[in-house]
Amino acid sequence: DGGITQSPKYLFRKEGQNVTLSCEQNLNHDAMYWYRQDPGQGLRLIYYSQIVNDFQKGDIAEGYSVSREKKESFPLTVTSAQKNPTAFYLCASSQRELSEQYFGPGTRLTVT
Amino acid sequence: EDQVTQSPEALRLQEGESSSLNCSYTVSGLRGLFWYRQDPGKGPEFLFTLYSAGEEKEKERLKATLTKKESFLHITAPKPEDSATYLCAVDTGRRALTFGSGTRLQVQP
Repeated sequence: DGGITQSPKYLFRKEGQNVTLSCEQNLNHDAMYWYRQDPGQGLRLIYYSQIVNDFQKGDIAEGYSVSREKKESFPLTVTSAQKNPTAFYLCASSQRELSEQYFGPGTRLTVT
Repeated sequence: EDQVTQSPEALRLQEGESSSLNCSYTVSGLRGLFWYRQDPGKGPEFLFTLYSAGEEKEKERLKATLTKKESFLHITAPKPEDSATYLCAVDTGRRALTFGSGTRLQVQP
């Protein structure tokens, strides 16, 4: 089955630790995205990538980093510099930039 | 700055009671508007794309329409399984999609 996988579903970390969230797609999509969702709010764009080895900052990139070494993979690292990292993180992909996006199941990160 | 506003924030319906959700947008140049359904704790599921004013799309009990200022998601004779948060997003050609904050729909049996 084609789709987007995110792992793990739940992640717990201590404050001050970096953590990497996984996102893999087998849809052969060129573009991939990371969003953050907080309760009662819409999705806010963290980073996006249109092609391998290239990525752009979104609205809330501070405290996050990404890489795009393979077309299928777009991992997100939440660094200790992110002041409020506890949130629901969603990865998405699209055939090309700005066409309809398809989402993974999400990772809920809790930092204490 | 592009803005997307969804209303109401929350809506409670009885099973079979039809209604509409609103997505109004202020953007400079709309290339497309997207509707998604999101169940609690899950990723959004793509529903529709609308590209031009006057366009309509249907899927089961849902129908999406688009004008120059807003989009409506009409729900006809809803069932409890239609309960979810419905998100709209706009494509203005500048970056990734801009999302509204969603409407939480609850359909009671």
